[in-house]
Amino acid sequence: AQRVTQPEKLLSVFKGAPVELKCNYSYSGSPELFWYVQYSRQRLQLLLRHISRESIKGFTADLNKGETSFHLKKPFAQEEDSAMYYCALTAPGYSTLTFGKGTMLLVSP
Amino acid sequence: DTEVTQTPKHLVMGMTNKKSLKCEQHMGHRAMYWYKQKAKKPPELMFVYSYEKLSINESVPSRFSPECPNSSLLNLHLHALQPEDSALYLCASSHTTVGRETQYFGPGTRLLVL
Repeated sequence: AQRVTQPEKLLSVFKGAPVELKCNYSYSGSPELFWYVQYSRQRLQLLLRHISRESIKGFTADLNKGETSFHLKKPFAQEEDSAMYYCALTAPGYSTLTFGKGTMLLVSP
Repeated sequence: DTEVTQTPKHLVMGMTNKKSLKCEQHMGHRAMYWYKQKAKKPPELMFVYSYEKLSINESVPSRFSPECPNSSLLNLHLHALQPEDSALYLCASSHTTVGRETQYFGPGTRLLVL
């Protein structure tokens, strides 16, 4: 069975500090990995997906198949980055998402 | 139009009421989803429709009844709900259910069952 683990419920940093939100997954094949973000009172929206290898809002994430990880990173956090971040995966051939429990990122001034 | 819309935004209902949630998208997506999200928890998949046919039902109680009248619309009919059903109900859509598709989410309907 596939599983996504986000070990931190809450991550609190100061503005300008580097941020790393951890995500580990369990799946025997080659999944597609996503990061979704939910700002306060806004819809859940895609931040990035590993297959597109984009950098969105300064965030990047690299798929490490050896460590089965897909950590989300940003070199300098901004206050507007404060939100709930969910890591998710889909299995090949399927679009149903398996979500991690989420990490709340709080960026203080 | 590149958004998924949901109505109503908020809904309060009694345990004997019947109500419906509505979801709409005009992106030509042929896969649509209902999720339930409790506070500070990830979304939980309820139903998946593919080409207007129900393809996945995640053992959801029969008091929730989905309907997909056409490729742009998805309804969730509610009847005899329990207080523990209070949650944010999210609709999402993707091009298809096959392949590595991105899901696009609506803003949700916040449901309170009294």
